[in-house]
Amino acid sequence: GENVEQHPSTLSVQEGDSAVIKCTYSDSASNYFPWYKQELGKRPQLIIDIRSNVGEKKDQRIAVTLNKTAKHFSLHITETQPEDSAVYFCAASIGGGNKLTFGTGTQLKVEL
Amino acid sequence: EAGVVQSPRYKIIEKKQPVAFWCNPISGHNTLYWYLQNLGQGPELLIRYENEEAVDDSQLPKDRFSAERLKGVDSTLKIQPAELGDSAVYLCASSLGSTGELFFGEGSRLTVL
Repeated sequence: GENVEQHPSTLSVQEGDSAVIKCTYSDSASNYFPWYKQELGKRPQLIIDIRSNVGEKKDQRIAVTLNKTAKHFSLHITETQPEDSAVYFCAASIGGGNKLTFGTGTQLKVEL
Repeated sequence: EAGVVQSPRYKIIEKKQPVAFWCNPISGHNTLYWYLQNLGQGPELLIRYENEEAVDDSQLPKDRFSAERLKGVDSTLKIQPAELGDSAVYLCASSLGSTGELFFGEGSRLTVL
């Protein structure tokens, strides 16, 4: 089955700096890669996703890049703000559907 | 519009006791999922329903876990008997079809003593 690895497990940045979280996947058949944000004690919420027919997608301060050859994808957050502090999970699925395999999460802390 | 609703939010039980969790998906969402989230880990799929049919239950430990979605709307997840290792957050999610955006509930946190 699919295996998703995520790094780093914790990330601390200064407000206004950029943050990058990286994930690798094992199954070359995976073609859907969402990112979820989970605040403490709250539900995971989709923040951005990308499908394998594109290499990059951007939504305001967040962007995701995908390298199918290397089987890795990354989340980029620019101009970080304190409200960006949360755990971020990457995920991958085969067939573009919702049988998602999640990474282990990255605890992002944005410091003032 | 209400999101995915789960209850109870918290449950503390002793080992070997039964426990049940309830989920009400977003109206109109025919696909429903139960995920297990251990502390510091990502969610892991337990079971996926398309309407009332369980189409993927390969990760559900069937010796002690069971789930149902009798009318294709609400769902319950049961554990009997609970073990210490079952302490975790049980997340329910729904989507419009199997490729629609996944919406999670707040989760049910289980503590087994």
